Amino acid sequence: GAVVSQHPSRVICKSGTSVKIECRSLDFQATTMFWYRQFPKQSLMLMATSNEGSKATYEQGVEKDKFLINHASLTLSTLTVTSAHPEDSSFYICSAHPSGGATDTQYFGPGTRLTVL
Amino acid sequence: SQKIEQNSEALNIQEGKTATLTCNYTNYSPAYLQWYRQDPGRGPVFLLLIRENEKEKRKERLKVTFDTTLKQSLFHITASQPADSATYLCALDPVSSASKIIFGSGTRLSIRP
Repeated sequence: GAVVSQHPSRVICKSGTSVKIECRSLDFQATTMFWYRQFPKQSLMLMATSNEGSKATYEQGVEKDKFLINHASLTLSTLTVTSAHPEDSSFYICSAHPSGGATDTQYFGPGTRLTVL
Repeated sequence: SQKIEQNSEALNIQEGKTATLTCNYTNYSPAYLQWYRQDPGRGPVFLLLIRENEKEKRKERLKVTFDTTLKQSLFHITASQPADSATYLCALDPVSSASKIIFGSGTRLSIRP
């Protein structure tokens, strides 16, 4: 089956530093990937839609300068949390929509736990 | 305003019984609705999809219904087992038939032996 990986699975950083999270589709190409954030005991909140070769589309209330998204290839999207602060600590999850696949199909990564000290 | 609500934050039932979870939505007209399972510290795992023109769909011990008039989906697990304990999320396409999905609030299901 289709596999999506995320790296790192867990990261701890100091306040003010930037952290990059990678999302890879391992056995399929994905023109579109999605980034979600999940706080403890809450549901996944869609942050942005990452489009290969073009700018990401951000959901309302998500700062595009704070959460930089790059989708430079059909198998890789990156999310960079810039100048991270403790309130950015969360579980970040990506999903990938296979290129040419049915619109209702996407595969989720295992998530990245970010802790900002 | 637009909402997706799962009306039980937590549900605790006896092993062997049927668990029924509810997903209600407001001010959306989804082409489909999905159900996912999420275990602690993991990404969501797809379980079932039901389209707007389908009333019911089954997969092994799972059953999903979709009532577009009531704007509600029900998710049933029959003969529940402790291994079914997890958080269950419903999701829909906020823009009809688009690849983007958004999630409901989730229900934490606990099956006691």
